Amino acid sequence: EVQLVQSGAEVKKPGESLKISCKGSGYSFTSYWIGWVRQMPGKGLEWMGIIYPGDSDTRYSPSFQGQVTISADKSISTAYLQWSSLKASDTAMYYCARLSGYDYSWFDPWGQGTLVTVSS
Amino acid sequence: EIVLTQSPGTLSLSPGERATLSCRASQSVSSSYLAWYQQKPGQAPRLLIYGASSRATGIPDRFSGSGSGTDFTLTISRLEPEDFAVYYCQQYGSSVTFGGGTKVEIK
Repeated sequence: EVQLVQSGAEVKKPGESLKISCKGSGYSFTSYWIGWVRQMPGKGLEWMGIIYPGDSDTRYSPSFQGQVTISADKSISTAYLQWSSLKASDTAMYYCARLSGYDYSWFDPWGQGTLVTVSS
Repeated sequence: EIVLTQSPGTLSLSPGERATLSCRASQSVSSSYLAWYQQKPGQAPRLLIYGASSRATGIPDRFSGSGSGTDFTLTISRLEPEDFAVYYCQQYGSSVTFGGGTKVEIK
């Protein structure tokens, strides 16, 4: 079974750094793009960016370029989403999801989500 | 960037009724590269439809997708109690964007 398991909920203060993770199993991790999607409280889905773990090729949504860093460690089948300095507006649920096999395609399956709360 | 506009924002229907959800793109979506997702409260989104009309694995046949170019539709032929949720469209013909969602609620 293809599965993505994300790290647990985080509570951080503004200005702190954070790295959340997404571990893939049940498939060849290096052969599929992984994407990150933000969902702010009570709002819709926003695409943040994607990474190809095979060679770490990364694409960012213009809205998130420079705001976050996406990376992957293929040796442990894990993708990451990282902030260097969190803001209150980063409070949201973050999902990782596997793409179908192309750089831009549909997302399936999805991780369970990681809730990030940024508050002083 | 292709902007996707979903309508209506909320659809109030009874179980057994037919639901028709619209997703309109600001420019043509190449090769019908459009997907639909269902999201229930407290859960991650679930893929329903890809390629505008292909059902994902395990999705009941009461869900169907249609459309091309700039106008796409998700139809639920007979609403079951578990179908009341929020539905999102997503295009992947030019980068990736999501629509704002349609909430299907019990009337």
